[in-house]
Amino acid sequence: ETGVTQTPRHLVMGMTNKKSLKCEQHLGHNAMYWYKQSAKKPLELMFVYSLEERVENNSVPSRFSPECPNSSHLFLHLHTLQPEDSALYLCASSQVTGAFNEQFFGPGTRLTVL
Amino acid sequence: AQKVTQAQTEISVVEKEDVTLDCVYETRDTTYYLFWYKQPPSGELVFLIRRNSFDEQNEISGRYSWNFQKSTSSFNFTITASQVVDSAVYFCALSEGSSGTYKYIFGTGTRLKVLA
Repeated sequence: ETGVTQTPRHLVMGMTNKKSLKCEQHLGHNAMYWYKQSAKKPLELMFVYSLEERVENNSVPSRFSPECPNSSHLFLHLHTLQPEDSALYLCASSQVTGAFNEQFFGPGTRLTVL
Repeated sequence: AQKVTQAQTEISVVEKEDVTLDCVYETRDTTYYLFWYKQPPSGELVFLIRRNSFDEQNEISGRYSWNFQKSTSSFNFTITASQVVDSAVYFCALSEGSSGTYKYIFGTGTRLKVLA
């Protein structure tokens, strides 16, 4: 059983919709991450939160808006997306931020933007 | 600049064959960490191993083994006697030890297909 869950697993939305992705970790970790996985591209780090504070915003367009209300939950709010934003969005957590920490991943949300 | 290259896009083997997945990295840091992750069809990346730059000992875990060679900047992964359940995408990643960095740099992954 995974310690990181993500909902929904699949999402189809139009370019004018607003939706949110949810991530929850049950591992007692203090750091959480959003990644974007597109076909034939390396995983792209989008955002990093440490103790509920955003510590990294990797030049992500403002149509993606993260929220971390507590150390167990992470959201990604989506609005006016583009078709090229279609991808697998992965959430991850680690004990703390730091180069040595292994990250634990959720199963992802497969997003399709029409 | 940091970079991870997995030149093998896809590999197909027959069950019980041995297979090696290549990973070559670039970094200017002297302290760094290397990781391998497995991504089965279910989607989540599963952590397999971490090595730090000061530990060049090879590691074996069951049918899995890893060969870390700083001289060639490589961290290769071998599966012995492959099984169908090993079919997945495997990612190599680099994390640098500089303060304030949170990034994993991932390779593009190698899709392994193990045929029965």
